[in-house]
Amino acid sequence: EVKLVESGGGLVQPGGSLRLSCAASGFTFSSFWMSWVRQAPGKGLEWVANIKPDGSEKYYVDSVKGRFTISRDNAKNSLYLQMNSLRAEDTAVYFCERIDTPSRSFDYWGQGTLVTVSS
Amino acid sequence: DIQMTQSPSSVSASVGDRVTITCRASQGISSWLAWYQQKPGKVPKLLIYGASSLQSGVPSRFSGSASGTDFTLTISSLQPEDFATYYCQQSSSYPLTFGGGTKVE
Repeated sequence: EVKLVESGGGLVQPGGSLRLSCAASGFTFSSFWMSWVRQAPGKGLEWVANIKPDGSEKYYVDSVKGRFTISRDNAKNSLYLQMNSLRAEDTAVYFCERIDTPSRSFDYWGQGTLVTVSS
Repeated sequence: DIQMTQSPSSVSASVGDRVTITCRASQGISSWLAWYQQKPGKVPKLLIYGASSLQSGVPSRFSGSASGTDFTLTISSLQPEDFATYYCQQSSSYPLTFGGGTKVE
């Protein structure tokens, strides 16, 4: 059974940093693109970042470029999102997803972790 | 960036109704279009990928179609468990983008 479990969310002050983790199991993690998507309270879904199976390619939405870094450790079956210079508008539930290779769709989602940026 | 314009933003429907949701891409995305269902407080669930392929385990009352840059999600006979918000998403090019969502209530 595919499982994705996020952790690391919490309350942080504007300008602060946070590192999210996503523990994957039930599939060959090193073979799949992975992604982070976020959802602000009461709002729609927003893609944040993608990473290639070997970590050699990374893509970001413009609003987080230079502040967020996606990474992975295939030996630990883990995905990460390092978030720096956090802003109030980064407040959201952050989901990690597996990307189905042929269709490029998000076929499995974690339960999400809430990040609140507030003073 | 490719904009995904979803309509309507909400639809009022009853059990047994046929419901149609449309998503228009601002430029060609071939069939790189997926549909997701999200219930309140829950995680989004993949329904349709490749514009018209049904994800495993998804009831056959859900279907997707495409015509150029217009994509449609149809629920042939609305069931009580289908009341939710639906999102389209393109994976043709970066940045990946979602539609604004359609709430079926």
